[in-house]
Amino acid sequence: AQSVTQLDSQVPVFEEAPVELRCNYSSSVSVYLFWYVQYPNQGLQLLLKYLSGSTLVESINGFEAEFNKSQTSFHLRKPSVHISDTAEYFCAVSGNTGGFKTIFGAGTRLFVKA
Amino acid sequence: NAGVTQTPKFRILKIGQSMTLQCTQDMNHNYMYWYRQDPGMGLKLIYYSVGAGITDKGEVPNGYNVSRSTTEDFPLRLELAAPSQTSVYFCASGAGGYNEQFFGPGTRLTVL
Repeated sequence: AQSVTQLDSQVPVFEEAPVELRCNYSSSVSVYLFWYVQYPNQGLQLLLKYLSGSTLVESINGFEAEFNKSQTSFHLRKPSVHISDTAEYFCAVSGNTGGFKTIFGAGTRLFVKA
Repeated sequence: NAGVTQTPKFRILKIGQSMTLQCTQDMNHNYMYWYRQDPGMGLKLIYYSVGAGITDKGEVPNGYNVSRSTTEDFPLRLELAAPSQTSVYFCASGAGGYNEQFFGPGTRLTVL
């Protein structure tokens, strides 16, 4: 069975500071990893994903995540956050068992302060 | 493209009432999903469908039913609403496999 653990439920950070949102997963098969972002009163939208190849993946708005197979982690980082990054971030894992169902973590609420 | 649309946006039900949450997608995706989101719990899969006429249970299907008569529509039916069904419900669609999912804006349901 697959599972996802997001280690922090809330992360407060000052504007222009770096941030890391942590995600660990467990799976007995090859995995595909995702980060989704949910802005207030909206649905989730894809931020970035790892399918194969380079272990470092980037989003268009400056976030990046690194797939670490030995640590079973997929942490999300941004070197300098903006107020507009305030949102909830979900790590998710999918694999080629159980019909590729996606398992979501509990979410990390990022709060960027001025 | 409108993407994934959901109606209604908000609803208050009394215990024992029934309702249908509507979901439509215009991306010709075969896969569609219903999730509920509770604070601090992430998303839990209620039901999913891999194509018209095919549905299957997810993690938390009790108290819900679905149908998939067309590729575009995937309504979720609540029978005999209970306070435990107070939640935000999201519909999503995707191409399946390792492809990402596209989410609707959600329906906030309160059962009193």
